[in-house]
Amino acid sequence: EVQLVQSGAEVKRPGESLKISCQTSGYTFTEFWIDWVRQMPGKGLEWMGTIYPGDSDARYSPSFQGQVTISADKSINTAYLHWSSLKASDSAMYFCARRWASRYLPFWGRGTLVSVSS
Amino acid sequence: DIQMTQSPSSLSAAVGDRVTITCRASQSVSSWLAWYQQKPGEAPKLLIFAASSLQSGVPSRFSGSGSGTHFTLTISSLQPEDFATYYCQQASTFPYTFGLGTKVEIK
Repeated sequence: EVQLVQSGAEVKRPGESLKISCQTSGYTFTEFWIDWVRQMPGKGLEWMGTIYPGDSDARYSPSFQGQVTISADKSINTAYLHWSSLKASDSAMYFCARRWASRYLPFWGRGTLVSVSS
Repeated sequence: DIQMTQSPSSLSAAVGDRVTITCRASQSVSSWLAWYQQKPGEAPKLLIFAASSLQSGVPSRFSGSGSGTHFTLTISSLQPEDFATYYCQQASTFPYTFGLGTKVEIK
C-alpha cells in the first residue's frame, strides 16, 4: 500500500527556517515524482513544484521559485520542503502527493499545517 | 503559466440533481487534465485523469469530458457525500496549475 506520511504541524516566527517532510512507503521511492501543493486558509490548491527522487531533478512553479527548496533523501524514502526564511504569508497547509502515470496525483499525504506569526 | 478557469465558483444543488462544472485552459492542454474532490479537513482525491478516465474506486456517477481548452466534470445524480469542492488541474506543462475550485453546496 502506498503511503505518504507528513511531519506534524509547525508554529514558527518570521525569519526562521523550516523543513517539513513527506515519508513514503509501499513503492520504489526513486521511480515516481513527488509534488508539493499549498493551500492557504480558506483558499484553493496551488502547485508549488515537484521532484524526481531518482536523480533529485526538481522543478518549481515560478510563483515559488527561490522561495522554497524541494529535496529528497533516497536512503530514507523521504521528500522535503524547505524554507530558509519564513514569512507570515507562508502560513498554510502543505500537501505532498505522489504521481502516477507521470502526471496525476492519486496518492496524497494528510498535509502539514505551517503557522508563521510574530 | 497556463491559467485554468473554473465555473461556476460555487453552486447549490439538491440530492439527485445533475451537476456540471466547467474548466477552461488558457491554451491547449490536450487531454492532460485531472479533476480532484476535496472535503474540509481532507487531502484532495483524484476523480478523473486524462480528461475522461475514471480513477479506480470512484463511483460511475462521476464523468469527465473535453480536450484542448474546454473540459467538464459531470455528476449524474448528486449524492450527500458529493458535497465538496472540486478542482481541475492541467498536467500538460509545468507548472501544473489548478483551477480556483467549485464549491458544491446543499440546496
